[in-house]
This record gives sequence, structure tokens and C-alpha cells, in this order.
Amino acid sequence: DGGITQSPKYLFRKEGQNVTLSCEQNLNHDAMYWYRQDPGQGLRLIYYSQIVNDFQKGDIAEGYSVSREKKESFPLTVTSAQKNPTAFYLCATGSYTEAFFGQGTRLTVV
Amino acid sequence: GQQLNQSPQSMFIQEGEDVSMNCTSSSIFNTWLWYKQEPGEGPVLLIALYKAGELTSNGRLTAQFGITRKDSFLNISASIPSDVGIYFCAGPFSGSARQLTFGSGTQLTVLP
Repeated sequence: DGGITQSPKYLFRKEGQNVTLSCEQNLNHDAMYWYRQDPGQGLRLIYYSQIVNDFQKGDIAEGYSVSREKKESFPLTVTSAQKNPTAFYLCATGSYTEAFFGQGTRLTVV
Repeated sequence: GQQLNQSPQSMFIQEGEDVSMNCTSSSIFNTWLWYKQEPGEGPVLLIALYKAGELTSNGRLTAQFGITRKDSFLNISASIPSDVGIYFCAGPFSGSARQLTFGSGTQLTVLP
């Protein structure tokens, strides 16, 4: 089936640790996006990539890093520099006029 | 970044009632999107609007692209329990750096 897959669904991290969230798509879309969602707030853009080996910072990129080595994959690393990483993270593909989302990863710092 | 003002923030309605929510922006949009998010899941696209004045339906859902290109509304008729969720508006700004901006969402609760 075509789609976008995020893993894991739930992730727990100790303070000071880096953690990587996976996002894979087989929709053959060039563009991929990472959003962060906090309770009662809209989605905020972390990073986006329009093409392989290229990516751009979004509104809240500090404390995060990404790579785009393959068209199908756009992993997000939450680094120890991110002071408040507990949130719901959403990956999306498509275009800036029609985005399709994965199921999300809920990250909790313990 | 740019902001979308979405209202109301939350709604509690009786099953069978109609629902209306809207989004406004200080900037012009070329596209308006409406998404629904259920708990613990990613948002799902409900309706996409591409032309000022456009009125589009998807089952019991109807959305309109405002004439001024700075607003949009979503109506749900005859609500049912499975309509529960968070509804988001979204759109790219004219001339933007190819990214979507989202409203803060409307949390809809349908009471039996």
C-alpha cells in the first residue's frame, strides 16, 4: 500500500540523549516535512526538504537535525540541545498546497 | 512565521446539530486546506480549496474559500459521534517559501 510511515509510535528519552524519529514514504513525493504539535496548539514546522540532499529550517529548527539521503526517507534527530522535546511529532509529504501525514510519534522525556 | 486565526478553539454540541468554524488571516491565501485529526493520529485532509469563492462539499462537510482570499469556513451538518476530533485549517501564503501554516485547531466534542 502507498503511504507514509512513522516509527516508533511512542518513544521515551532520557534527558541529555539524542533520539532519531523515522519517516518513510513510498508515494514518490519530492517534498517531506517535519512538524511538532503541542497540546492546544497548531502544527509548527521544524524542517522541510524539497529534494534529496537538500533541506531547509522551518520556524522551530533549534535543537533538531535532519538528513535526506534518499527520496523515501527523512529522519528527524531530536538532540540534547532541544530543551523541551516532549511533544507529538508528525511527518508529512506532498506539496505546500496538499500535505499528507503519517501517524505520528509521541516523544516523552523521562 | 505567519499566523492563522482559527475559531472557536473548542465546541461542545449535541448529536444532530450543525457546526461551523472559520479561519482568518491578515495575508492572502491561494489555497485553503481543512484537516481532521483524531486522538493519537496524524491529520487527514478533508477538503482542499483552490479558488476564491469556491464552495466544496465532502459528504456532510462543506467548506468555502472567502472572496477576499483571507478567510475560509468549514461547516459540518447533522453531527455524529465520529465527528469528534480536532479540525485544522491550513494554507500556504502567496509567495511563501513553500510551506504550509496551520491554525491552532478547533476541538469538537459531540454529545449523545
